[in-house]
Amino acid sequence: DGGITQSPKYLFRKEGQNVTLSCEQNLNHDAMYWYRQDPGQGLRLIYYSQIVNDFQKGDIAEGYSVSREKKESFPLTVTSAQKNPTAFYLCASSSNPQGRYTDTQYFGPGTRLTVL
Amino acid sequence: SQQGEEDPQALSIQEGENATMNCSYKTSINNLQWYRQNSGRGLVHLILIRSNEREKHSGRLRVTLDTSKKSSSLLITASRAADTASYFCATRGPSNTGKLIFGQGTTLQVKP
Repeated sequence: DGGITQSPKYLFRKEGQNVTLSCEQNLNHDAMYWYRQDPGQGLRLIYYSQIVNDFQKGDIAEGYSVSREKKESFPLTVTSAQKNPTAFYLCASSSNPQGRYTDTQYFGPGTRLTVL
Repeated sequence: SQQGEEDPQALSIQEGENATMNCSYKTSINNLQWYRQNSGRGLVHLILIRSNEREKHSGRLRVTLDTSKKSSSLLITASRAADTASYFCATRGPSNTGKLIFGQGTTLQVKP
């Protein structure tokens, strides 16, 4: 089965803790993305990576960090510097964004993070 | 920054009726896509329309694009209770980043 997985499904964090959300894909996609979704809102881009060992900040990168050491994996760390981290986090991937005219994104099932 | 604005924010219809959702955007685009999200789940891609296309069909879905008005509409015909979900438009700009900018979505409820 080809797809994109996220774990855990639910995550609880105490204030002041860093937590890492996992995102793995076996679609052989070059590009991966992290989005944040607040209730009743659309998606906002946190970080994205077009190739291994490279990533760029999105619109709301403050308080988050990522790594892209393998093509299949793009973990997101929510640091204690993120003041309002309670949200639904979605990971996505797409095939070769460079010059592709018909690019679409494939999403994982999401991780719901709650700060206690 | 969110480029897309969707209208209406919420829509409630009876099964069998048609549902129309609108999306407006601000800057030039490469393509516009529609995604569906069931409650608490990830997004699923529905249909993509390129900037040089005006209309596209996929099953019960019909998408139109008017680049002069910077707007798009998604029509779902003969709706079913299973169509109940949130629908998002997303635009891809002309730059080679693959980045999408999502609207805030329309929540559709189809009553059986």
